Amino acid sequence: QVQLVQSGAEVKKPGASVKVSCKVSGYTLTELSMHWVRQAPGKGLEWMGGFDPEDGETIYAQKFQGRVTMTEDTSTDTAYMELSSLRSEDTAVYYCATDKGGSYYRFGAFDIWGQGTMVTVSS
Amino acid sequence: DIQLTQSPSFLSASVGDRVTITCRASQGISSYLAWYQQKPGKAPKLLIYAASTLQSGVPSRFSGSGSGTEFTLTISSLQPEDFATYYCQQLNSYPGTFGGGTKVEIK
Repeated sequence: QVQLVQSGAEVKKPGASVKVSCKVSGYTLTELSMHWVRQAPGKGLEWMGGFDPEDGETIYAQKFQGRVTMTEDTSTDTAYMELSSLRSEDTAVYYCATDKGGSYYRFGAFDIWGQGTMVTVSS
Repeated sequence: DIQLTQSPSFLSASVGDRVTITCRASQGISSYLAWYQQKPGKAPKLLIYAASTLQSGVPSRFSGSGSGTEFTLTISSLQPEDFATYYCQQLNSYPGTFGGGTKVEIK
C-alpha cells in the first residue's frame, strides 16, 4: 500500500523560497509518477506540475514556470517541490499525489495523496 | 488550456436523493476525466477515473459517464458521508486542470 507523508507547515516571508517534501513508503519512487497540486484557503484545486511517464519528463504548469522545481531523491524515495519568489497568493495547502498509472502509463488520475502541507506567505 | 466547467457549483440535497453533477470541457478530452471527493481539511479522494471506471473501494452508488466534452458524476442514493465537495479533473493534455468544484450540502 503506497503512502505519501509530507513535511510540516511552513511560514515564509514574501520573496523567500519553500521546499516541501513527500516521502514515499510501500513502493519505490521510481515506480510512481509524482504530481503536485495546491489549494488556496477556501478555493479549488490547482495542478502545478508532475512527471509524465510517456515523455519521461517533468511538466510544469506555465503559471509556475521559472518559479517551481520538482525533484526526486530515489535513494530516500522522497519527492520535493520548491517554489521561489513567494507572494501572498502562494498561501495554500500543497499536496503531492501519484498518477494511477505509475511510472509506465499516464492515467491522468491521482489515486494516492499526501496529507498536505500548509504554506503561509506573510510579512 | 482546457477549461472544465462544473455545474451546479452548489447543491442542496437530502439523504436518499439521486444527485448528478456535470463537468463540461472546453475541448475534447476523450475519456481522460477523473472525479474526486474532498471533505474539509482532508486531501481529495479519487472516485472515478477514465470517465466511468470506479476506483477500488469506492461504493457502487457512485458512477461516472461521458466522453469528449461532457461528463457526469451520479450518486444514486445520497448517504450522510457523501456530503462533501466534488471536483472533476483532466490530464488529457497539459496543463492538468480541475473544475471549480460542486459543494453538496444537506437540505
